[in-house]
Amino acid sequence: AQKITQTQPGMFVQEKEAVTLDCTYDTSDQSYGLFWYKQPSSGEMIFLIYQGSYDEQNATEGRYSLNFQKARKSANLVISASQLGDSAMYFCAMREGRYSSASKIIFGSGTRLSIRP
Amino acid sequence: NAGVMQNPRHLVRRRGQEARLRCSPMKGHSHVYWYRQLPEEGLKFMVYLQKENIIDESGMPKERFSAEFPKEGPSILRIQQVVRGDSAAYFCASSPGHVEGDEQFFGPGTRLTVL
Repeated sequence: AQKITQTQPGMFVQEKEAVTLDCTYDTSDQSYGLFWYKQPSSGEMIFLIYQGSYDEQNATEGRYSLNFQKARKSANLVISASQLGDSAMYFCAMREGRYSSASKIIFGSGTRLSIRP
Repeated sequence: NAGVMQNPRHLVRRRGQEARLRCSPMKGHSHVYWYRQLPEEGLKFMVYLQKENIIDESGMPKERFSAEFPKEGPSILRIQQVVRGDSAAYFCASSPGHVEGDEQFFGPGTRLTVL
C-alpha cells in the first residue's frame, strides 16, 4: 500500500537560510509521481513541484528543488533563501501511475515551517 | 482562465441536517477529486469522478456521503444527517487527465462546521 511519511511536525528556520523538508514514501509501483504542496494559514493548497519516478534529473521550480533519491525512496523539498512568506504547512504527496487519471493522491501528515526574521 | 471554484467557502450546519458542497473544475478538466482535511491533519482522498461516472470511491464513508459529477453543472459532494465529526475542510481538485506529470489543481476548499 502507498504511504507517505513526513517525520518533522514543525521546523523553525532563520530568514534567508536554506531549509530541507523530509519526505519518504512507500510504493510497490514502478511508475509514480511525487508532489509538494504548500498550505498557508489562509487554507488553500498551492502546488509547488512535481517529480516523476522516471525523471532522471531532480525537479526545480525557482527557489524550490526536489532532492529525489529513488533507491532510498525519499523526495525531500529544498527551499533556498527562505522568506517570511514561506511560513506555512508543507505536504508531500504521491500518486501511483504516470497520469492523474490513474490514481488518487496520498498525502503525508505535513510539516509546519516557521521562518524567523 | 478561472481556477477550480468551490462554494460555499464556509458552511455551518446543525447535527442531522444535510450539507451540499459544490465544485466547478477548471475549464477543460473532466476529472474531479474530493479530499477531506481534518484539523491538523493532511488531506485524505475521498472520491474520484469523471463526467457521469464514479471511478474510485474507496475513501468515501459507507453511509451518509455521496458524490456526483453530472454531464452539466458542478460536482456535488453531499453529506446527509451531518454529525460533529464531519466538521472539516473539504477540497476539490481537477485535472485534464492523461497528461504526463499533470498536477491536480485544488480549489480553495469548503470549511464545514457542524454545531
